[in-house]
Amino acid sequence: KAGVTQTPRYLIKTRGQQVTLSCSPISGHRSVSWYQQTPGQGLQFLFEYFSETQRNKGNFPGRFSGRQFSNSRSEMNVSTLELGDSALYLCASRPAGESYEQYFGPGTRLTVT
Amino acid sequence: AQSVTQPDIHITVSEGASLELRCNYSYGATPYLFWYVQSPGQGLQLLLKYFSGDTLVQGIKGFEAEFKRSQSSFNLRKPSVHWSDAAEYFCAVASYSSASKIIFGSGTRLSIRP
Repeated sequence: KAGVTQTPRYLIKTRGQQVTLSCSPISGHRSVSWYQQTPGQGLQFLFEYFSETQRNKGNFPGRFSGRQFSNSRSEMNVSTLELGDSALYLCASRPAGESYEQYFGPGTRLTVT
Repeated sequence: AQSVTQPDIHITVSEGASLELRCNYSYGATPYLFWYVQSPGQGLQLLLKYFSGDTLVQGIKGFEAEFKRSQSSFNLRKPSVHWSDAAEYFCAVASYSSASKIIFGSGTRLSIRP
């Protein structure tokens, strides 16, 4: 099975712009979660989507949003980018049922200038 | 609130030496515990997990971890490290009700001395 894929891998944006990141989960996985990784704050949970519905949400401002499509692919959007949004954004998927193992993608490195 | 503490920011060990990375968690009930590894520029790879049962769990790449409820610890061990083990290691915790909302520790960077 192919692993979790994220596109693009690298992105440079300007402050004030918006950005959309994409994540394709492992085939058959219906849950997709997003995490932000920065040197200062470490790994922080953004949100989780399951069957096109947001199921859990972390403590991030409303500028961070996401969605999930019927094929379980997910997108994350950040509007009005700030310098502090520069980070590695990781997507993880897990199968349905009582499986708590998450499988992570390689991440998207976002740089805001 | 759940939290995870990894007290060692950076550890250097010689190749072939044993390794122990420390992890302490704070949680009311028995949590779900994980160790992940991250190589530079890469995502996270699950090394091992503990949900219930035997407190000594075996993982991939020769790693093991022991859950000690009395000490709220879940330390990662490896009897003999290889140069390829150099990476960042994260301990993490999740709850039954929010299994996808993983709380990560700050990580321990492992360097291997030739």
